[in-house]
Amino acid sequence: DTEVTQTPKHLVMGMTNKKSLKCEQHMGHRAMYWYKQKAKKPPELMFVYSYEKLSINESVPSRFSPECPNSSLLNLHLHALQPEDSALYLCASSPPFGAGGVYEQYFGPGTRLTVT
Amino acid sequence: AQKVTQAQTEISVVEKEDVTLDCVYETRDTTYYLFWYKQPPSGELVFLIRRNSFDEQNEISGRYSWNFQKSTSSFNFTITASQVVDSAVYFCALSESSGANNLFFGTGTRLTVIP
Repeated sequence: DTEVTQTPKHLVMGMTNKKSLKCEQHMGHRAMYWYKQKAKKPPELMFVYSYEKLSINESVPSRFSPECPNSSLLNLHLHALQPEDSALYLCASSPPFGAGGVYEQYFGPGTRLTVT
Repeated sequence: AQKVTQAQTEISVVEKEDVTLDCVYETRDTTYYLFWYKQPPSGELVFLIRRNSFDEQNEISGRYSWNFQKSTSSFNFTITASQVVDSAVYFCALSESSGANNLFFGTGTRLTVIP
């Protein structure tokens, strides 16, 4: 059983809708990530949170807005998306990175988003 | 700049055959980390192994083994006696110690094990 959960599993939204993706981890990790994965492509990093602070924003359009309310939760707020934003959105968590090294990330099952 | 190359786009093997998935990487960092992930049709990425650049020991875990060779910048993954449940896309990934734990993925190898 995965210890990183994501809801919803599937989401269909129109270009004028506002929706949110949710991620929760129960591993005590202090770093959380959002990735976007298009069909038959590798995951691409979108955002990194470290100790609930945004650490990296990989030039993601402002129609994607991340939020980390606490160390266990990560949200991705969606607004005015385009059809090309349809993809699998994956959340991951890891121990805090830094001087101690780099750690493996544990992924949730993803939210498959379709923008119509 | 970092780069991960998985030249094998798709591989098909018959059950019980051994198969090796290739991974070649490029980085300017002297300290870096290499990973393998499995992505079955369900979509979830499953962590398989993490290896740092100072540890060139090969590793075996059940039917899985990994061969890390810094001299050729390769980190290959072998599945022995493949099973249908091994069918998935396998990603090799690199993270540089100078980055914020970014995982940079290769393009993946789709493995199909035929019963």
